[in-house]
Amino acid sequence: GDSVTQTEGQVALSEEDFLTIHCNYSASGYPALFWYVQYPGEGPQFLFRASRDKEKGSSRGFEATYNKEATSFHLQKASVQESDSAVYYCAWRTGGYKVVFGSGTRLLVSP
Amino acid sequence: EAAVTQSPRNKVTVTGGNVTLSCRQTNSHNYMYWYRQDTGHGLRLIHYSYGAGNLQIGDVPDGYKATRTTQEDFFLLLELASPSQTSLYFCASSDARENNQAPLFGEGTRLSVL
Repeated sequence: GDSVTQTEGQVALSEEDFLTIHCNYSASGYPALFWYVQYPGEGPQFLFRASRDKEKGSSRGFEATYNKEATSFHLQKASVQESDSAVYYCAWRTGGYKVVFGSGTRLLVSP
Repeated sequence: EAAVTQSPRNKVTVTGGNVTLSCRQTNSHNYMYWYRQDTGHGLRLIHYSYGAGNLQIGDVPDGYKATRTTQEDFFLLLELASPSQTSLYFCASSDARENNQAPLFGEGTRLSVL
């Protein structure tokens, strides 16, 4: 069925490390894909989106490329900072406007 | 400024109690959503709506009703609350007129069912 899979429940890095958070989706057609970030005590905040194959989305140094063949939208950042510590969610939206989220990945960045 | 406002921010009730969570958006958005957030499960879609009087079933609808009374207001109803419904609930809205707009979230309502 329709779903989003984030394989890492938690990622622990040091400042300036390279980040990859994996996201794979199961959906028909060309869903719009999103990344969100959530800080403690707040609602999820939209980071960026992509809506067609090979499109790259980016914001605040984070980026991801829509890969329809691999059904993936992996989040990357070249050099993380302690302030990037948060929970990150991958999501997709169908033509019917249903929006499905993954289980989230907690990023912990130590100085 | 676009906003989604949820009330109350915190709620405690007892098993079998009747609870209504409220959500108002002032963004003139067509779509509104209710999610619950639980550790290990992320955000799970309960119900959503594309306008006043409309309701679409999400992925975890059991035990929940919802009603969209106006363009701005979307309510989540728990008529016989159970401890399994203890969770953090989020409301969100998005504009169907803007292609692939991502939902905008409120601050959440924390519900405890004792």
